[in-house]
Amino acid sequence: EAGVVQSPRYKIIEKKQPVAFWCNPISGHNTLYWYRQNLGQGPELLIRYENEEAVDDSQLPKDRFSAERLKGVDSTLKIQPAELGDSAVYLCASSLTGEQYFGPGTRLTVT
Amino acid sequence: GQNIDQPTEMTATEGAIVQINCTYQTSGFNGLFWYQQHAGEAPTFLSYNVLDGLEEKGRFSSFLSRSKGYSYLLLKELQMKDSASYLCAVFKAAGNKLTFGGGTRVLVKP
Repeated sequence: EAGVVQSPRYKIIEKKQPVAFWCNPISGHNTLYWYRQNLGQGPELLIRYENEEAVDDSQLPKDRFSAERLKGVDSTLKIQPAELGDSAVYLCASSLTGEQYFGPGTRLTVT
Repeated sequence: GQNIDQPTEMTATEGAIVQINCTYQTSGFNGLFWYQQHAGEAPTFLSYNVLDGLEEKGRFSSFLSRSKGYSYLLLKELQMKDSASYLCAVFKAAGNKLTFGGGTRVLVKP
């Protein structure tokens, strides 16, 4: 069974530029999560989807971050414009019940 | 709110035992997960405790005391490949939500 797929794995951009991350969850997993993980810290939830509905986006900085999960499968997380403080690893995870399965993440560096 | 504490870093010798403690204060609790994360990789599932007591799985064991808001992960017969970060996470079924601690970086030395 394929795991959670994310792309790109690495991204370097200049501040004020836009960036997008893509996630393909495990087949059949209704719940999809986007996390941000700063160096030396645990993942912090940005947004959670149940199928195509964003049911918890309370931690998503909505002035510059947006996400979508069309058709309740793949998801895209976008930052526009990026700031220096957005440098982090962006993890996608999916679950059916309880245990979450993580993708390898996208390491974003904003210069 | 939620407060989850674990030590930042621990060092141990190959073949030894290390215990990683995690304390939590949460507004809701349905279980506690431990994940392992090697540098630059995804967190991977190690254990899930719902009831009080010890769960053993090979060289790794996890303990939970719900009344004390306390868990630990025990790594026995340490191997070099066990050098990684270990993440404690509280699970709330309402909201299907995991809240992570800051992670404990374990360094295994020869």
